Amino acid sequence: QKEVEQDPGPLSVPEGAIVSLNCTYSNSAFQYFMWYRQYSRKGPELLMYTYSSGNKEDGRFTAQVDKSSKYISLFIRDSQPSDSATYLCAMSGGGKLIFGQGTELSVKP
Amino acid sequence: DAGVIQSPRHEVTEMGQEVTLRCKPISGHDYLFWYRQTMMRGLELLIYFNNNVPIDDSGMPEDRFSAKMPNASFSNLKIQPSEPRDSAVYFCASSLLDSYNEQFFGPGTRLTVL
Repeated sequence: QKEVEQDPGPLSVPEGAIVSLNCTYSNSAFQYFMWYRQYSRKGPELLMYTYSSGNKEDGRFTAQVDKSSKYISLFIRDSQPSDSATYLCAMSGGGKLIFGQGTELSVKP
Repeated sequence: DAGVIQSPRHEVTEMGQEVTLRCKPISGHDYLFWYRQTMMRGLELLIYFNNNVPIDDSGMPEDRFSAKMPNASFSNLKIQPSEPRDSAVYFCASSLLDSYNEQFFGPGTRLTVL
């Protein structure tokens, strides 16, 4: 079993939809949870960073962490075609980052 | 700042040849990471350095892979001899000491070994 599981998709939604992206993990030592966004043929870039459990909001993006269920989510409100990218969850316990496989998202105009 | 710089952007080589990938981290960053990304395995950490010193190379797949960081502004990853299964996108990333999890990635080198 992988330490971090993420559905690779692809996920296709119409513009304006609410998008929910999720990851599950098995290592209870993870305390730092990130979402990276990767556009086609580019390197990943950090989108959201959460420490421990709870919610964090940044504009149209909300990251949620539920440590009791070992489950993290990223919500995108009012999705735009420019949100089309691969979203990778990443987490660590203070050591190296472990990345999910990434979910490919396509937002259609 | 120009961000993390990688060269070459694309490399096509034949099996058995030596391949050298290069990285210039963001000036002032303390950590440097080398990752490999494939469809099958996703993004995997190969090795990382702190202040030019290798800290963890447990992700380096075989002895054919080696990485050095001779100074704070340069690192290279070598594969010798290369094999078709090494075909992947190789990313370099860097971060500050107190922002380890905020890693800044370069554009990657797309390696194809024929």
